[in-house]
Amino acid sequence: EVQLLESGGGLVQPGGSLRLACITSGITFNSNVMNWVRQAPGKGLEWVSEISGSGDKTVYADFVKGRFTVSRDNSRNTLYLAMNNLRVDDTAVYYCVTQFADWYFDLWGRGTLVTVSS
Amino acid sequence: DIVMTQSPDSLAVSLGERATINCKSSRSVFYSSNSKNYLAWYQQKPGQPPKLLIYWASTRESGVPDRFSGSGSGTDFTLTINNLQAEDVAVYYCQQYYSTPRTFGQGTKVEIK
Repeated sequence: EVQLLESGGGLVQPGGSLRLACITSGITFNSNVMNWVRQAPGKGLEWVSEISGSGDKTVYADFVKGRFTVSRDNSRNTLYLAMNNLRVDDTAVYYCVTQFADWYFDLWGRGTLVTVSS
Repeated sequence: DIVMTQSPDSLAVSLGERATINCKSSRSVFYSSNSKNYLAWYQQKPGQPPKLLIYWASTRESGVPDRFSGSGSGTDFTLTINNLQAEDVAVYYCQQYYSTPRTFGQGTKVEIK
């Protein structure tokens, strides 16, 4: 059974840091491009970051560039998102998402909620 | 960035009727070298993560009922839900994967009239 299980969300003050993790099972993790997509409360979907299967190529949305870092540990089938200098508008559910080849997003985790508030 | 615009923002349809959602991209997402439209549709039910419904603009994901269909090319696309069922109540998003950033439409909420 395929599972994508995010963790690491929580309440953090503006300017603070968090590290999200997504543990996967049932997929050939090191073959998958992986993404983080977020959804602010009551809002739509917003792509955040992408990492290649080997981890040597990363891409970021402009609004997180320089603050967020995506990485992966293929030996642990785990995807990470290190988030620094968090802002109130980073408040969202963060989803871990697999990408089919270089194309569409085929599998989504249940998400982890990040709340940035003083 | 390619901007995706959906219409309407919400619609209410009677059970058994048809729901039609439109999606327009600010630039063509048709790749001529393989004749494919890089457009997907997702369904998000309340309290759940999104789920892939359709890719390449018109190919249903495995397990998706055939009352869901996608059409269109270039910059204009449509998701049609025939014979609307109660379990189809959800927000539907289009997304282009032609270029990065992979942008989504703002979503269309489908409710029962």
